[in-house]
Amino acid sequence: ETGVTQSPTHLIKTRGQQVTLRCSSQSGHNTVSWYQQALGQGPQFIFQYYREEENGRGNFPPRFSGLQFPNYSSELNVNALELDDSALYLCASSSSGGRGDTQYFGPGTRLTVL
Amino acid sequence: AQSVTQLGSHVSVSEGALVLLRCNYSSSVPPYLFWYVQYPNQGLQLLLKYTSAATLVKGINGFEAEFKKSETSFHLTKPSAHMSDAAEYFCAVSDAGGSYIPTFGRGTSLIVHP
Repeated sequence: ETGVTQSPTHLIKTRGQQVTLRCSSQSGHNTVSWYQQALGQGPQFIFQYYREEENGRGNFPPRFSGLQFPNYSSELNVNALELDDSALYLCASSSSGGRGDTQYFGPGTRLTVL
Repeated sequence: AQSVTQLGSHVSVSEGALVLLRCNYSSSVPPYLFWYVQYPNQGLQLLLKYTSAATLVKGINGFEAEFKKSETSFHLTKPSAHMSDAAEYFCAVSDAGGSYIPTFGRGTSLIVHP
């Protein structure tokens, strides 16, 4: 059984650029959630996708967008990068969109915006 | 609105001593509650979760937590700390109703001294 994988591991961008982060969910999971974890903080929920539809969204501006593909892998896109977007971006998959479901986290993508 | 407060950004214990990490929550509806552990440069791993069944929840690695509605608390304990328990611990709440939007605490760093 393959766990949650994320790519790339590290990324450096400059302010104003766009970035795409990728996540492959655990085998058999149809739900993917994305989180932003700033240094020294807890993860903040960005959004969740369940069977290719957005299933909930946190307090993030529209320049944070996502996609989920038929194989349930997912992308997080961030446009017009700002310095405050520097963070660890975590992806988590689960077997359904339920609130009590166990989420399995990937190792994250460390984004640095200069 | 839901929120989580983790008392103490750092907790230091000796190996073999009791571990107590505090978490208080606020929620307008019955909550689902979670504890996660994060080792350096890794994603989060679920330790245990409360989803309205037994109030004393046992998790992995010898950890357990007790849901106390009257105190709005969900403290994490382990009878005897091990060096390998040194990590960052996060408490999270997810409302049992409404859209799926989990809220994480800011985390508590557990330091274990030999």
